[in-house]
Amino acid sequence: QSVLTQPPSASGTPGQRVTVSCSGSSSNIGSNTVSWYQQLPGTAPKLLIYSNNQRPSGVPDRFSGSKSGTSASLAISGLQSDDEADYYCAAWDDSLKGPVFGGGTRLTVL
Amino acid sequence: QVQLQESGPGLVKASETLSLTCTVSGGSVSSYYWNWIRQPPGKGLEWIGYIYSSGSTYYNPSVKGRVTISVDTSNNQNSLKLSSVTAADTAVYYCARTTVGAMAVFNIWGQGTMVTVSS
Repeated sequence: QSVLTQPPSASGTPGQRVTVSCSGSSSNIGSNTVSWYQQLPGTAPKLLIYSNNQRPSGVPDRFSGSKSGTSASLAISGLQSDDEADYYCAAWDDSLKGPVFGGGTRLTVL
Repeated sequence: QVQLQESGPGLVKASETLSLTCTVSGGSVSSYYWNWIRQPPGKGLEWIGYIYSSGSTYYNPSVKGRVTISVDTSNNQNSLKLSSVTAADTAVYYCARTTVGAMAVFNIWGQGTMVTVSS
């Protein structure tokens, strides 16, 4: 049971815009920033978004993040087949005094 | 370009101790937090714990009492030891770096190493 809650799956067609949600509580998302990770099949996770909405160098601007209250969202516009992956959110948890992850969302490009 | 490489036995017997090393190349271990994260087959990510380059540590309560993370600044490595392992500890183990003030921003990851606990 993950501390942060994500839908197990999401899907979209090429070119479409999809969003992935991440729900937490006042001890994590409510008081700390959110990061997002993309895990392609058989590979290590890769940082996609940090500080709620910042993209590391090299991440396309098709990927964007937002946060409101105790929830966050990752949006992917202009969906491509290469975007088919698992997506995880993470945030620092003040109660645990450590980082917590969402359970992951598997994105399928139809 | 900083790279992380995990290494260690891929098979550990139940009740024994799992030992992994993360070697840092292209950069220094100093002034960073070094985390261990695991992912059971087909499941999500679980943070195990971290060590700062000075040696201070913090562990997830889910494994506290069984885990030790250490750092070797002279060899640019950090290590994970997990004792009394069971089948539930079977997972891909990742080493990942975070920075001061951004403790949930894992900006560099190793490729991961699969560890299977056998009975």
